[in-house]
Amino acid sequence: AQKVTQAQTEISVVEKEDVTLDCVYETRDTTYYLFWYKQPPSGELVFLIRRNSFDEQNEISGRYSWNFQKSTSSFNFTITASQVVDSAVYFCALSETTSGTYKYIFGTGTRLKVLA
Amino acid sequence: DTGVSQNPRHKITKRGQNVTFRCDPISEHNRLYWYRQTLGQGPEFLTYFQNEAQLEKSRLLSDRFSAERPKGSFSTLEIQRTEQGDSAMYLCASSPPSLAGVDTDTQYFGPGTRLTVL
Repeated sequence: AQKVTQAQTEISVVEKEDVTLDCVYETRDTTYYLFWYKQPPSGELVFLIRRNSFDEQNEISGRYSWNFQKSTSSFNFTITASQVVDSAVYFCALSETTSGTYKYIFGTGTRLKVLA
Repeated sequence: DTGVSQNPRHKITKRGQNVTFRCDPISEHNRLYWYRQTLGQGPEFLTYFQNEAQLEKSRLLSDRFSAERPKGSFSTLEIQRTEQGDSAMYLCASSPPSLAGVDTDTQYFGPGTRLTVL
């Protein structure tokens, strides 16, 4: 069965601290896609990054970076020098490809609170 | 280019009433998804359309739920005889067709419709 686990329910950090959000996934597919989305209080899910199973290169985008390790089935997300505007719920998602629908399986999310 | 829109944004109804939500995907996105999100949880897949065809439905989609996408454009999700357990955020997402150089698997979400059943 496909599953995404975000063990951290809530994290609080002080502004300018670095923070890492963990994501562990399970799948039998050899081809799959992993995503991170941000959900601010307004409720809309904002796309952050997509990674396919064949590309294990880490990625950096401004203060955001992602570490994908197939050996440990993890796709972790780090925010460097956090800011109050980073406060939100962050979801990791796995897209299953077998049926061709590419529907997402989401984790339960990690609520990040950045304190000024 | 506008994003995915959903209406209404909020709906309060009494148990037993029928409700209908609308989703307008990003233009030219032929794939459309409905998800449901309850408090403190991640979104859960409900159903998937490719153009006007409904190709997959989750077991979560009971007989009281029906979704349509006439002409492959906007979609509606109807819940009949609402129950308190239907209270949730209903999210719609769309993604582009499979074309060279296009990530068809990346879904873009609307703001959601928050349903409260009293």
